[in-house]
Amino acid sequence: DGGITQSPKYLFRKEGQNVTLSCEQNLNHDAMYWYRQDPGQGLRLIYYSQIVNDFQKGDIAEGYSVSREKKESFPLTVTSAQKNPTAFYLCASSPNVGYEQYFGPGTRLTVT
Amino acid sequence: KQEVTQIPAALSVPEGENLVLNCSFTDSAIYNLQWFRQDPGKGLTSLLLIQSSQREQTSGRLNASLDKSSGRSTLYIAASQPGDSATYLCAVRLSGGTSYGKLTFGQGTILTVHP
Repeated sequence: DGGITQSPKYLFRKEGQNVTLSCEQNLNHDAMYWYRQDPGQGLRLIYYSQIVNDFQKGDIAEGYSVSREKKESFPLTVTSAQKNPTAFYLCASSPNVGYEQYFGPGTRLTVT
Repeated sequence: KQEVTQIPAALSVPEGENLVLNCSFTDSAIYNLQWFRQDPGKGLTSLLLIQSSQREQTSGRLNASLDKSSGRSTLYIAASQPGDSATYLCAVRLSGGTSYGKLTFGQGTILTVHP
């Protein structure tokens, strides 16, 4: 099956800890994205990557970091510097930037 | 800065009704516009993609229109069913500059279709 997988579905962490969210795709897409969704605020872009070993900050990159060592994988680390990390995180990919984006099932992160 | 607004925020209709969801955007220099569906606690499913040169796209009971000059798009759902209940999101992609390829999302319309 082709698609985008995110793991885990639910993640709980204590305040002050870094946490890494996984995103994998087998669609052979060049571009990958991370979004954050909060109630009543729609989706906001955190980081995106057009190609392996390259990534760009989105609108709300502070407190987050990413890597793109493989075409299939785009992990997101939520650092202790992120002030309000509790949210629903969505990963997406597209054949290239500007093309239709396909979304994964999301990871709900709760930090207490 | 591109801003996307969706009206209404929530809509409740009886089964079988035809309905229209609205999306407006402030910068008309868009590359394309995409409508998504999101079920509670799930990811987004792409419904329709309209390129800036197109006026409308159809898929089954769904029809999306685009009026770039006025900054508006509508999603028309014919003969609504309870299974259509979900949040519907529109997103626009700017056509150039440093924002090329980035999607800007509206806040969504929560649709409830009751039997």
